[in-house]
Amino acid sequence: EPEVTQTPSHQVTQMGQEVILRCVPISNHLYFYWYRQILGQKVEFLVSFYNNEISEKSEIFDDQFSVERPDGSNFTLKIRSTKLEDSAMYFCASGLNTEAFFGQGTRLTVV
Amino acid sequence: SQKIEQNSEALNIQEGKTATLTCNYTNYSPAYLQWYRQDPGRGPVFLLLIRENEKEKRKERLKVTFDTTLKQSLFHITASQPADSATYLCALFTSGGYQKVTFGIGTKLQVIP
Repeated sequence: EPEVTQTPSHQVTQMGQEVILRCVPISNHLYFYWYRQILGQKVEFLVSFYNNEISEKSEIFDDQFSVERPDGSNFTLKIRSTKLEDSAMYFCASGLNTEAFFGQGTRLTVV
Repeated sequence: SQKIEQNSEALNIQEGKTATLTCNYTNYSPAYLQWYRQDPGRGPVFLLLIRENEKEKRKERLKVTFDTTLKQSLFHITASQPADSATYLCALFTSGGYQKVTFGIGTKLQVIP
C-alpha cells in the first residue's frame, strides 16, 4: 500500500542552525501539507501546497519556514535559525481531495 | 474565536462495550469533519469522513454522526477491543479553494480487557 515517507525519523540540531525535513508524498496526490505536534499538544497545521505553490499557511509558518517541491517526488520543509521551541514532531501529509495521509513524522530536537 | 473541543482527555471502557467520543466546535462552518486515530509516536491515520449534509457514516465497527445544528460529532466504536486503545482526533476540514485540516486535542481511549 502506498505511504508517505519522511526522513530522517529523528533530527537533533543546535539552536540557530538550519534544518531540512524531507518527505516523499504518495505519487498521485495533489495536495501536500506540513503539520507539527509539540509533545503533549495537538496537531497543528503549518502549510498546504498545491499546484507548485503555497495555498494556505498558518500564523506559525512565518519567514523562518519555507517549503519546496524541488522535483516531482520530494516535498521539503526548511526551518532557518532553529529555536528551542521548534522542537516537535513534524508530519508531512498528502492527499487527493478530502483525505490526508500522514507520514510517520520527523522528531526534531533543538538543543 | 474558533474552537474544537473533544469531550475528555481520557476515556476508559471495558472490552466489548461501545465507546462514544464527542467533538464539539464553535465558530466554524466545516465542509467535512474527519476522525483520525493516533498511536504514540506515530502520525495520525485517517478513519472516517462525514460531510456537512450527511447525518451518519459507518465503517465496520465505527460510526460517526454529524449534527451541524448542535455543532457536534459523535464517534462510536462498537464491540471495542484492547487494540482500539489509542488517541482519537477530531478534525475539521474547511474548503473554499484551499484546504487545511484543523485538529482537536484528541481523546485517549483505553479499552480494558
